[in-house]
Amino acid sequence: AQSVAQPEDQVNVAEGNPLTVKCTYSVSGNPYLFWYVQYPNRGLQFLLKYITGDNLVKGSYGFEAEFNKSQTSFHLKKPSALVSDSALYFCAVSGVGGGNKLTFGTGTQLKVEL
Amino acid sequence: DTEVTQTPKHLVMGMTNKKSLKCEQHMGHRAMYWYKQKAKKPPELMFVYSYEKLSINESVPSRFSPECPNSSLLNLHLHALQPEDSALYLCASSRTGSGSYNEQFFGPGTRLTVL
Repeated sequence: AQSVAQPEDQVNVAEGNPLTVKCTYSVSGNPYLFWYVQYPNRGLQFLLKYITGDNLVKGSYGFEAEFNKSQTSFHLKKPSALVSDSALYFCAVSGVGGGNKLTFGTGTQLKVEL
Repeated sequence: DTEVTQTPKHLVMGMTNKKSLKCEQHMGHRAMYWYKQKAKKPPELMFVYSYEKLSINESVPSRFSPECPNSSLLNLHLHALQPEDSALYLCASSRTGSGSYNEQFFGPGTRLTVL
């Protein structure tokens, strides 16, 4: 079975500071890892994914994520946070042969303050 | 066109009503999904269609009935719902029917309230 853990329900960051949203995963075989963002009363927007190759993945809106196989982690990062980054962030995993089934983490509410 | 559209945006229905949710994409994607999402919670997968055939049903009650008339359209027929079915219903699509590495594109959702 595959699973994702997002240990923080909420992360607070000052605008201009770097941000990190944590994610760890468990899956049989090689993982496919995703980050999505959800603004209030909206659907989910795809930010980035890791399939294979370079451990540092760059995505939309200046976000990046680092895949760490030994720590089974895929933390989302941004060098300089914006107030407009405030939203709900979901990490998700699917596995080889998973049949398109995404397993989501519980979500982390990011609040960026002035 | 890189959008998934969903109609209606909001729906209020009684427990004896029959209604349908509609989802459309024109990206040539061959997998389409229905999710249910409660406030501040992750989406819960309901159904997956792959090449217009139902490939996953996550033990969803029969009062929810999916339909995929063609590769661009996905419907969710609702009948005799319960108040606990009130939620945001999200449709998504992805490029192929078998690639777990394909990202899913989500629509804005239909906010359903069952009275």
